[in-house]
Amino acid sequence: DAGVTQSPTHLIKTRGQQVTLRCSPKSGHDTVSWYQQALGQGPQFIFQYYEEEERQRGNFPDRFSGHQFPNYSSELNVNALLLGDSALYLCASSLSASALHFGNGTRLTVT
Amino acid sequence: AQRVTQPEKLLSVFKGAPVELKCNYSYSGSPELFWYVQYSRQRLQLLLRHISRESIKGFTADLNKGETSFHLKKPFAQEEDSAMYYCALKNDMRFGAGTRLTVKP
Repeated sequence: DAGVTQSPTHLIKTRGQQVTLRCSPKSGHDTVSWYQQALGQGPQFIFQYYEEEERQRGNFPDRFSGHQFPNYSSELNVNALLLGDSALYLCASSLSASALHFGNGTRLTVT
Repeated sequence: AQRVTQPEKLLSVFKGAPVELKCNYSYSGSPELFWYVQYSRQRLQLLLRHISRESIKGFTADLNKGETSFHLKKPFAQEEDSAMYYCALKNDMRFGAGTRLTVKP
């Protein structure tokens, strides 16, 4: 079992552009959560998807959107990128209310 | 406001010494608390959860609702315990800022 996989591992974008990050959950998991982790900070919750719907959302603007597919994989989209969006984006999967299993993250740099 | 506070960004102890990583939370309902750990060059992973009341790698954590705390403890720290530790409140998916533990030989 490969666990949670995220792609790409690194990404460089220009301010104002749009980006899509991808996540495949651990086998058997049906819930995907996304986090943003700035340097020196703890993970900040963006949103969680279950049964292809956004179930819970943190304090992030509408520029952050997501999707979950029937195979439980998920995408995080960020529009109109700002310099402050530079961070490590973590995906975590879980089976319903169980503990989170994290991926290695995608490092996004906005220039 | 609901929050998770880890007051120490850095904690350094000698091998064999006891260690306590502090976590305080603010939540109006019944909290579900976890400790996650990130070793060097590894992904963030679950260490333990308060519901299971288990000891993992010698670590324990007790939920104290009166003091709204969930401190992580180990009686005898080992060098391999050096890592970043995060306390998390599962109810609103919130993480603390983390404590970097260094265990010196």
